[in-house]
This record gives sequence, C-alpha cells and structure tokens, in this order.
Amino acid sequence: NAGVTQTPKFRILKIGQSMTLQCAQDMNHNYMYWYRQDPGMGLKLIYYSVGAGITDKGEVPNGYNVSRSTTEDFPLRLELAAPSQTSVYFCASSYPSGTDTQYFGPGTRLTVL
Amino acid sequence: KNQVEQSPQSLIILEGKNCTLQCNYTVSPFSNLRWYKQDTGRGPVSLTIMTFSENTKSNGRYTATLDADTKQSSLHITASQLSDSASYICVVSARSNYQLIWGAGTKLIIKP
Repeated sequence: NAGVTQTPKFRILKIGQSMTLQCAQDMNHNYMYWYRQDPGMGLKLIYYSVGAGITDKGEVPNGYNVSRSTTEDFPLRLELAAPSQTSVYFCASSYPSGTDTQYFGPGTRLTVL
Repeated sequence: KNQVEQSPQSLIILEGKNCTLQCNYTVSPFSNLRWYKQDTGRGPVSLTIMTFSENTKSNGRYTATLDADTKQSSLHITASQLSDSASYICVVSARSNYQLIWGAGTKLIIKP
C-alpha cells in the first residue's frame, strides 16, 4: 500500500512551458486535492475532486487545470508556466468526505525561471 | 471571513522541554479542528482531530485542547524530542460547506 504518490519530485521549467504533475493513490479514496505551499506560508487549495469525473476550483485555481478520469489518478496541468507558480505542490486524498483526515503525498518542488 | 491564526510563528526550545502552540479561529459554524505535523520537505500528517464536544485529546506526547466558546485550540508537546522539529498546522472545518481553512503553521525547532 503506497498511499499517495507524486511525480516528479523536482522540476525546473522555463517561463511559458507546460507540464503535468502526476498524483496517484491506492487507498480507493473518493476525495482528492491539489495544494500549493509557498515558502513560509500555509497550504492553499488549487483544485479538488469528489470522485471520478467531478472536479471543482479551490482558492487559487488560475493557471492550472485538472482532470479525474479514474478514482486513483488526479493530474494537475500547468499551462504557460509563470515565476509566480514556483512553489511546492502537494496532492492529498481523503475518505469518505472532505472533512475527514487527508493523506498527503511527498510533494513536487517546482521552479519556474 | 473564516480565518485560522497560529502563534507563535516559530519557536525554539531545548530537547526535553515542554511547549504549547496556539490556534485561534473565526470559522463558523464549526465542524472540527485538526492538528497536522509537517516535517521539512514532506507532506503534512494528521496528529489529532477534535469535534465540538471534545475538550482534550491526546496522541502520545501530543495533547490538543479545544475551547469552542472562545474559538481557541492549543497543542501541548511534552518532553520534546529532536524528531518533534517540524511545522505544526491547525486546520478548521466549516460545517456549512465543509470547507477546510488552513493556518500558516508554527515552525518548531528542538535543540539538543
């Protein structure tokens, strides 16, 4: 049981490039989330999903897109990367509701230059 | 506006000493409050969850308290160890829309 996995661990992008951050969980959790954490700051919710085929915006969705075609996977797409998107990105999952304990992945450290 | 504020921002104590971290919230209506521990470079891990009717909950050397009237919570760490060095995050859930409001965290450093 691997829990929540994220790839890659680190990535450097140039301004304007695009990339997809991968997230997978093997706990059959229905809720999944994407957060970003800037240095010395709290987590900010980007997008979340309550189940396959259902996604919704969080606090800071601009510049990102998500999809949820399966229960296990919840990729985060960055289009036209900007320096303001330099951050650590965490994926999490929970069951059965959005207020239950969230289980986090190890994070992806992204730098946009 | 729903907010969660934590204090202090950072704290340095010697190994073996006790410490208390504070969390004040303005979330209403309240559903539950969680404390997470986040080691450097890792994702947060849940320590405790407290509902409206609970005043105290312990998890090993960690004891969380909740005063729903004053909207305050504290996390007390007893006999600190070097492995307690981490950020401790308070997260409050709103019952109306199940929104989670995350605090900025307290960075705790334990020195030998």
